[in-house]
Amino acid sequence: QEKVQQSPESLIVPEGAMSSLNCTFSNSASQSIWWYQQHPGKGPEALISIFSNGNKKEGRLTVYLNRASLHVSLHIRDSQPSDSAVYLCAVNSAGNKLTFGIGTRVLVRP
Amino acid sequence: EAAVTQSPRNKVAVTGGKVTLSCNQTNNHNNMYWYRQDTGHGLRLIHYSYGAGSTEKGDIPDGYKASRPSQENFSLILELATPSQTSVYFCASGDKLGGLEQYFGPGTRLTVL
Repeated sequence: QEKVQQSPESLIVPEGAMSSLNCTFSNSASQSIWWYQQHPGKGPEALISIFSNGNKKEGRLTVYLNRASLHVSLHIRDSQPSDSAVYLCAVNSAGNKLTFGIGTRVLVRP
Repeated sequence: EAAVTQSPRNKVAVTGGKVTLSCNQTNNHNNMYWYRQDTGHGLRLIHYSYGAGSTEKGDIPDGYKASRPSQENFSLILELATPSQTSVYFCASGDKLGGLEQYFGPGTRLTVL
């Protein structure tokens, strides 16, 4: 069964700074990796996904995937108070299912 | 826009009682999922479905049943609710064509006393 671990557990950053989140997974044959954002009392919402080794940039978000080290990271440039949320890493390694990490809680201080 | 709705949003049940959580999606997605989310465990998959009439066991299916009577509807059934099933339950829909992006409902907070 896929194992997904996220670090740090929580992160406090000043407004305008970079937020950097990490995720490791157990299966190098994983097909896709997703990052979800979850605000309190809401369901998770997909932010960005990556399938191939390397990086992908969308707006203020950049994702880096290194399959050899089983590591993916999410970087949020120019963090805003509205970015305060829990960020979940999710990995697809079998069938039509995703395995989720526990999450990283991000607080952006104005 | 993709839409997944859940009912009820909050539920208090008694131990040993039967609980049914309902989910409806208007995305016309083939796949639907039921998760529970608990502090320290994250989102865990209970049951999922590939289409009307199909249900599959997820990672923690014990104590739960699922029903997919149509493309749009997916229910989670707790025949004999226990306090350990107190949690927040999320339904999601998704499709392989979308790269397995899953669209989540707002969640149901279930308390079993």
